Amino acid sequence: NAGVTQTPKFRVLKTGQSMTLLCAQDMNHEYMYWYRQDPGMGLRLIHYSVGEGTTAKGEVPDGYNVSRLKKQNFLLGLESAAPSQTSVYFCASSYLDSGRSTDTQYFGPGTRLTVL
Amino acid sequence: SQQGEEDPQALSIQEGENATMNCSYKTSINNLQWYRQNSGRGLVHLILIRSNEREKHSGRLRVTLDTSKKSSSLLITASRAADTASYFCATDAVYNFNKFYFGSGTKLNVKP
Repeated sequence: NAGVTQTPKFRVLKTGQSMTLLCAQDMNHEYMYWYRQDPGMGLRLIHYSVGEGTTAKGEVPDGYNVSRLKKQNFLLGLESAAPSQTSVYFCASSYLDSGRSTDTQYFGPGTRLTVL
Repeated sequence: SQQGEEDPQALSIQEGENATMNCSYKTSINNLQWYRQNSGRGLVHLILIRSNEREKHSGRLRVTLDTSKKSSSLLITASRAADTASYFCATDAVYNFNKFYFGSGTKLNVKP
């Protein structure tokens, strides 16, 4: 049981390049999330998904796209990277408890992205 | 914004002392969670308290929730050097339980 894994761990891009970050979870969770964390700040929600085939925008969605083709995977894409997207990206997954309230989030180890 | 805010931003204590950090939020919630983040690592869930609960314990952790004041506190008793980390509160929203909002965190330093 690996929990939540993220690929890659580190990446350096040039402005304008594209890339995809992969998040995978083996806990059969319905909910998955992508966050970014900038120095000295908390996490800000980029996009999230409440189930396979569905995605929704979070607080800071501009410049990112996501897809959830399989329940266990949640992909985050940067079509044209900008220096402002330099950050640490965390993926998380969660399930709904019996009271239909979102419960504990399980986080991946993060991807450190630098855009030059 | 729903975002919670932790207070203080930084806290430095001696090993064995208690550490208290606070979280305030703006709108009604279903639950509030506390997470710990060691430097450069992912977040680890510590404890969840629901809006109908007032206090919860887990080992050396004690969390309180005051929904009338829209605030929560996390108490770590008998702190250890290994407790050195950043601590974040996260809230959902009654009208949208799918999303979580994190504060900017309290950086705790426990000196041996």
